[in-house]
Amino acid sequence: GESVGLHLPTLSVQEGDNSIINCAYSNSASDYFIWYKQESGKGPQFIIDIRSNMDKRQGQRVTVLLNKTVKHLSLQIAATQPGDSAVYFCAESFQGAQKLVFGQGTRLTINP
Amino acid sequence: DAGVTQSPTHLIKTRGQQVTLRCSPISGHKSVSWYQQVLGQGPQFIFQYYEKEERGRGNFPDRFSARQFPNYSSELNVNALLLGDSALYLCASSFTVTGNTEAFFGQGTRLTVV
Repeated sequence: GESVGLHLPTLSVQEGDNSIINCAYSNSASDYFIWYKQESGKGPQFIIDIRSNMDKRQGQRVTVLLNKTVKHLSLQIAATQPGDSAVYFCAESFQGAQKLVFGQGTRLTINP
Repeated sequence: DAGVTQSPTHLIKTRGQQVTLRCSPISGHKSVSWYQQVLGQGPQFIFQYYEKEERGRGNFPDRFSARQFPNYSSELNVNALLLGDSALYLCASSFTVTGNTEAFFGQGTRLTVV
């Protein structure tokens, strides 16, 4: 269940378009999920979280969808802006253990 | 309000040396966790401390140790540094150790071992 991969998947979108970033998590018993945004040279920044008793949660311009059947998490960003360019990580935890297991990460690039 | 603060921001050490990294959590947060992030990968859990006690440990060798102080700040120590220890070391704080609560990360300490 540890993060793997030396080469980050990349997603390029046009400014103003919607972005969808996907994540496959590893532990079917995980009950808490978080999306983080990490800009170059900075620590991860919390975007949105969701508990396993939900399948959708919305924030400002962001929506997280959880499909426990296939252990899949997605982050939708509406009307992407240049400031959304970053690496996005999903993270999971089990029984609030606070040991976050991070996914591989996806680099989002916004084209003007 | 100050977020999670880490010091130093950058550090260069030689193989075999020892290093101490410091973290101050958000005011009121009692749980501190440490993560190692190698370039191109997601953070990997090293330790969690709550109320000065170790509450979790990741798959790291005994060269890695940590402690938490009465004011909830924390130090991460790494002995006998190896080239592979070069990474961004992240500290995260949260209000509690149980329950699903948001973890806030600091900017990290960039450690380079030469």
